[in-house]
Amino acid sequence: AQSVTQLGSHVSVSEGALVLLRCNYSSSVPPYLFWYVQYPNQGLQLLLKYTTGATLVKGINGFEAEFKKSETSFHLTKPSAHMSDAAEYFCAVSRGGATNKLIFGTGTLLAVQP
Amino acid sequence: EADIYQTPRYLVIGTGKKITLECSQTMGHDKMYWYQQDPGMELHLIHYSYGVNSTEKGDLSSESTVSRIRTEHFPLTLESARPSHTSQYLCASSEAAGVGPNTGELFFGEGSRLTVL
Repeated sequence: AQSVTQLGSHVSVSEGALVLLRCNYSSSVPPYLFWYVQYPNQGLQLLLKYTTGATLVKGINGFEAEFKKSETSFHLTKPSAHMSDAAEYFCAVSRGGATNKLIFGTGTLLAVQP
Repeated sequence: EADIYQTPRYLVIGTGKKITLECSQTMGHDKMYWYQQDPGMELHLIHYSYGVNSTEKGDLSSESTVSRIRTEHFPLTLESARPSHTSQYLCASSEAAGVGPNTGELFFGEGSRLTVL
């Protein structure tokens, strides 16, 4: 069975500081990994995804994540936080296939202080 | 650019009313999903469909029902709304089986926020 653990339900950073949101997964097969962002009263928007190939994945709004198989991690980073990055972030995993479903973590609320 | 639409975005109704939340997608996706999400909380899958005339209950038990008569349309209905149904409902779709690697990537609508008084 697959699962996702997001460490820290709330993360607060100062504007301009490094953003690091942690995600660990468990999967019995090579996973597909995703980060989604949700702004207040909105649906989820895909930030980035890892399917195959390069393990460092770049996404929208300056975010990137690195797939580390040995650590079963897919942490999300951004070098310099902006006020507009304040949102809820969800990590998700799937194993692919016709009947596959995405498994979501419980989310991390990112606050950006001026 | 995702093309999945939900209406209404916001709905406030009284207890006992019947409501239908609409969800439509123009991407030709076979698979569609409904999630329930309380403010600041995790997502709970309540219904999904792998194609026309196919519907399944998700991981979280829900009193709502769904139908899938057309590929592009996946409405959710509550026959008699109660305050406990107050929540945000998110509709999503994913790529058709047999198209690409079927990574499971979901495309979300903007959500329908339901308040039952």
